[in-house]
Amino acid sequence: EDQVTQSPEALRLQEGESSSLNCSYTVSGLRGLFWYRQDPGKGPEFLFTLYSAGEEKEKERLKATLTKKESFLHITAPKPEDSATYLCAVQANDYKLSFGAGTTVTVRA
Amino acid sequence: DAGVTQSPTHLIKTRGQQVTLRCSPISGHKSVSWYQQVLGQGPQFIFQYYEKEERGRGNFPDRFSARQFPNYSSELNVNALLLGDSALYLCASRIGTQNTEAFFGQGTRLTVV
Repeated sequence: EDQVTQSPEALRLQEGESSSLNCSYTVSGLRGLFWYRQDPGKGPEFLFTLYSAGEEKEKERLKATLTKKESFLHITAPKPEDSATYLCAVQANDYKLSFGAGTTVTVRA
Repeated sequence: DAGVTQSPTHLIKTRGQQVTLRCSPISGHKSVSWYQQVLGQGPQFIFQYYEKEERGRGNFPDRFSARQFPNYSSELNVNALLLGDSALYLCASRIGTQNTEAFFGQGTRLTVV
C-alpha cells in the first residue's frame, strides 16, 4: 500500500521567513509526485508534478524537489497570501493519487 | 476556459437517504476521478473513470457507485447515508489516466444529519 507522510503538520512563519515542507513516501513504482495547495473549503489547486529523482520545479516563491524517498517544497520569503494547506500526492502503477494529510502553513505579516 | 465544475456546492441529507453528486470535467479531458476528504485529512480515492469505463476503485463500501456519460461528465451516488459520509467530495479531471496533472473542482460539501 502506498504511504505518504507530510511534516510538519502545521507551520507558522513570519512574512519573509523561508522554510521547507517535507513529503516522504513509500510506493512501488513511482509514476509521479504531485504538490497541491488547498484553501479552506475549496478544492486542491495544482502546483507541480515531479517524475524522477533530482528533478526540480519552481513557481514564484515555491520550489519543489524530489529524491528517491522524499520531496521538499521550499517557500522563499513567504507572504500572507501563501497561507494554505499544502498537499503532497503520489501515483504508482495504478490510477489513483495517494495523498498525505497536508501541512497547514500560516504566514503572519 | 472553464475548469472542473461540481454541483451542488453544499448539501444536507438525513441518515439513510441517497445522494447524487455531479461533475463536469475540463473540455478535452476524458478521465474523471472522485475523492472523499474528511476534515483534517488528505483526499481519499473513491473511483476513476476513463472513456466511460471504471478503471479503479478505492476501499469504499458498495453504497458508493459512479458512472461516466458519453460527454465525459460523471455522477457519484451514495446510498443509505451514514453520519460518517459527511465530507468534502472532490472531482478531478485529467486528459488521460496516468502521468498527467489532475485538476480538481471546488468540491461538494455533504453534511449528513
